[in-house]
Amino acid sequence: EPEVTQTPSHQVTQMGQEVILRCVPISNHLYFYWYRQILGQKVEFLVSFYNNEISEKSEIFDDQFSVERPDGSNFTLKIRSTKLEDSAMYFCASSVAGGLADTQYFGPGTRLTVL
Amino acid sequence: AQSVTQLGSHVSVSEGALVLLRCNYSSSVPPYLFWYVQYPNQGLQLLLKYTSAATLVKGINGFEAEFKKSETSFHLTKPSAHMSDAAEYFCAVTRISGNTPLVFGKGTRLSVIA
Repeated sequence: EPEVTQTPSHQVTQMGQEVILRCVPISNHLYFYWYRQILGQKVEFLVSFYNNEISEKSEIFDDQFSVERPDGSNFTLKIRSTKLEDSAMYFCASSVAGGLADTQYFGPGTRLTVL
Repeated sequence: AQSVTQLGSHVSVSEGALVLLRCNYSSSVPPYLFWYVQYPNQGLQLLLKYTSAATLVKGINGFEAEFKKSETSFHLTKPSAHMSDAAEYFCAVTRISGNTPLVFGKGTRLSVIA
């Protein structure tokens, strides 16, 4: 069964460093998402992406964040200058379409630890 | 704004007992509601979803949920817990605008005791 994959599973970085989290969505899916979950808190939406551009972004997704689909299979989230509060589990998801009832398929997540 | 509240961050049941995980939503318009499960070291997997067809929704692994508009609830149940049901469960609701990002609850960790 096709699945969303994410690498690395765990990333440790120093405050102020840039990190890139990678995701490979399911191959025939057209919509891509990033969510994050700070320990003990809710899973929060960051950004959605369709047709090579951002469809929607939350207040969390400020200028420090960017997304890219560099090669037609990968979908990346970059944090330019990490802060302590960026420590969280980051989930990538994809869906065939972006309709209200379309199922989003999630990857296993990348745990980001900022020291 | 839409929101979801999951009552109980941790629920513990005996093997064979009823599983009841509570989810209440807040929405100004009819919502679409989802339950996801996360097993250790795995991604979020869809258990079931309500999309305004039937109010009683059956999902995978014997789980079901009932949409009750009067109570703004979408509780997840399973008649008989198995050890393999131990996981984190997330209730989510769609937003009404944009590219349908999900709004999640904080999750409930289910433990099953032998």
